[in-house]
Amino acid sequence: DGGITQSPKYLFRKEGQNVTLSCEQNLNHDAMYWYRQDPGQGLRLIYYSQIVNDFQKGDIAEGYSVSREKKESFPLTVTSAQKNPTAFYLCASSNPMAANYGYTFGSGTRLTVV
Amino acid sequence: RKEVEQDPGPFNVPEGATVAFNCTYSNSASQSFFWYRQDCRKEPKLLMSVYSSGNEDGRFTAQLNRASQYISLLIRDSKLSDSATYLCVVVNTGGFKTIFGAGTRLFVKA
Repeated sequence: DGGITQSPKYLFRKEGQNVTLSCEQNLNHDAMYWYRQDPGQGLRLIYYSQIVNDFQKGDIAEGYSVSREKKESFPLTVTSAQKNPTAFYLCASSNPMAANYGYTFGSGTRLTVV
Repeated sequence: RKEVEQDPGPFNVPEGATVAFNCTYSNSASQSFFWYRQDCRKEPKLLMSVYSSGNEDGRFTAQLNRASQYISLLIRDSKLSDSATYLCVVVNTGGFKTIFGAGTRLFVKA
């Protein structure tokens, strides 16, 4: 079945450490996104990519980096510059040409700083 | 002003009740509208699209009012399983600019 896979489900980061969150999709979607959700808050866009080898900053890109070397993959690195990284991270993909845009989320990664 | 605003709730209703949520958006050029449902500690999932003519899916009815720039979701005969957070979603710019509301929490009690 087609879908989006995020890993790991839970991740613990030490102060000053970089960590990378994985996001893989087999939906053949061109567009992929990373969101951050804090308790009781809405989704905030970190980065998005409309096509391979291209990506754009979202509303809260500081302290994060991404790459889009393959259509299927859009990993997110949380760098040590991100001072408050504890949150729920959601990856999504979409096909802007499809009905309802086919917007689909992965099951998320819960990151905690220890 | 936020681009998409929702009443955060929570709405506490008994089983069988009818409950309605509203959502306002600021960009008059917004193109597409959706309601998503998010269960606790899970990812959001598409509940239904929202069309100008209004649309219904079982116990759920969605409405769009472009003149007043708001969308609504009506849930009839609430079930315990309807307890969740409901996210209003607005899509601009050819499908690449998607804005999520902060969500409205619903608790349905026996």
